[in-house]
Amino acid sequence: EAAVTQSPRSKVAVTGGKVTLSCHQTNNHDYMYWYRQDTGHGLRLIHYSYVADSTEKGDIPDGYKASRPSQENFSLILELASLSQTAVYFCASSGLFQDTQYFGPGTRLLVL
Amino acid sequence: GDSVTQTEGLVTLTEGLPVMLNCTYQSTYSPFLFWYVQHLNEAPKLLLKSFTDNKRPEHQGFHATLHKSSSSFHLQKSSAQLSDSALYYCALSPNSNNRIFFGDGTQLVVKP
Repeated sequence: EAAVTQSPRSKVAVTGGKVTLSCHQTNNHDYMYWYRQDTGHGLRLIHYSYVADSTEKGDIPDGYKASRPSQENFSLILELASLSQTAVYFCASSGLFQDTQYFGPGTRLLVL
Repeated sequence: GDSVTQTEGLVTLTEGLPVMLNCTYQSTYSPFLFWYVQHLNEAPKLLLKSFTDNKRPEHQGFHATLHKSSSSFHLQKSSAQLSDSALYYCALSPNSNNRIFFGDGTQLVVKP
């Protein structure tokens, strides 16, 4: 079974503060993704990566940065957190982009 | 461009009745289609994936048929169970773009 872990599992942040969400996979997958989920909006792609040291913008990249320092790790960085970034964030990995995506357990972020 | 449309935001059924969740897509290339399921407070996980040889994928009583002529991949089950209550996402993976595209999701509620 593919394994994707995320940390922290939940976080409360202050407006204007910096937040880093981490994702680690042990699947030897090349592709990794960050999604946010809001009620009524489903899953929206923020950033993704298909090779270490390279990231691509998804559909809603504004206000987010991503970092892929190794095949196993993919981080999402909110430099200046805002109220509108309160959401659940999911990381996922896949061997190829056409393959099944395996999701982590999610991180609940509350920005106050 | 590539996109997925799920027309129903919410489907409410009585246990034992058949389930059909709609999914249509637009894609320049012959894509793979997926159904992901997300139960409450859990991560999304794969339910079904289309085959390249037109076989009908089945899992946990659910099945879906890829109809290229109508660009559809509707999810069906003959008899709904209470445990089927969840959020269902249809997703598309074109043979390019290094990513997949999710629909907005359909919330299925099965009542006794």
